[in-house]
Amino acid sequence: QKEVEQNSGPLSVPEGAIASLNCTYSDRVSQSFFWYRQYSGKSPELIMSIYSNGDKEDGRFTAQLNKASQYVSLLIRDSQPSDSATYLCAVYPGTYKYIFGTGTRLKVLA
Amino acid sequence: NAGVTQTPKFRILKIGQSMTLQCTQDMNHNYMYWYRQDPGMGLKLIYYSVGAGITDKGEVPNGYNVSRSTTEDFPLRLELAAPSQTSVYFCASSYDSPLHFGNGTRLTVT
Repeated sequence: QKEVEQNSGPLSVPEGAIASLNCTYSDRVSQSFFWYRQYSGKSPELIMSIYSNGDKEDGRFTAQLNKASQYVSLLIRDSQPSDSATYLCAVYPGTYKYIFGTGTRLKVLA
Repeated sequence: NAGVTQTPKFRILKIGQSMTLQCTQDMNHNYMYWYRQDPGMGLKLIYYSVGAGITDKGEVPNGYNVSRSTTEDFPLRLELAAPSQTSVYFCASSYDSPLHFGNGTRLTVT
C-alpha cells in the first residue's frame, strides 16, 4: 500500500514564527511532490511543487525534498494568521494517481 | 481562463435518488479525477481518466459511475444515493503537472 503520512496537528505557531510541516512517503519511485493549502470549506490550492533533492523557495515558502530519507517538508517563514489552513502533501509516483496525505492543520496565533 | 468548473455547488438528495455531478476543464488536460472528502478527512480517489474513452476505478468507486466522451468533460453519476455518500466532491485535472482542482460540490443525502 503506497502511503503518504502527515501529522494531523493542529500545529500552533505564533505570528511571525516559522511553521514547519513534514510529510513522509513510502513509494521510492515517486518523482513529483506537491504541497496544497486548503482553507475550511474550500478546494485545495497548489502552493509548491518540488521534483529534485534540496530546497526550493517561493516567497515565504520553502519546500525541502530528501528522496533518500523519503520525506518532504514545507517551511513557512513569517507566518501570518491568513496561513491558518490545512496543508496537504501529495506525491505522484507516475502511475496516473496522485497520493495524498490526510493533511496537517496549521493555526497561526495573532 | 476558467480552469476546472464543477456544478452544482450544493445539492441535497433523498435516499435512492440519482444525480450527475458535472465537471469540465478548459486546459486540454488528458488526466481527470474525482475525489471525495469527508469532514476532517483526506481526499479519497473515486475514479480517474487518462483520456477520452478511458476510465478506471480509484480507492472508493462503489456507488458511482463515470464516463469520458470528450477531453473536457468528466461527469460523475450517483445512481442510488445513500447517506454514506454525503461528502464534498472535488474534480481535478492535470497533464504532466500538479493537479488543478474545481471548487467542489457539497452533497447531502438524507
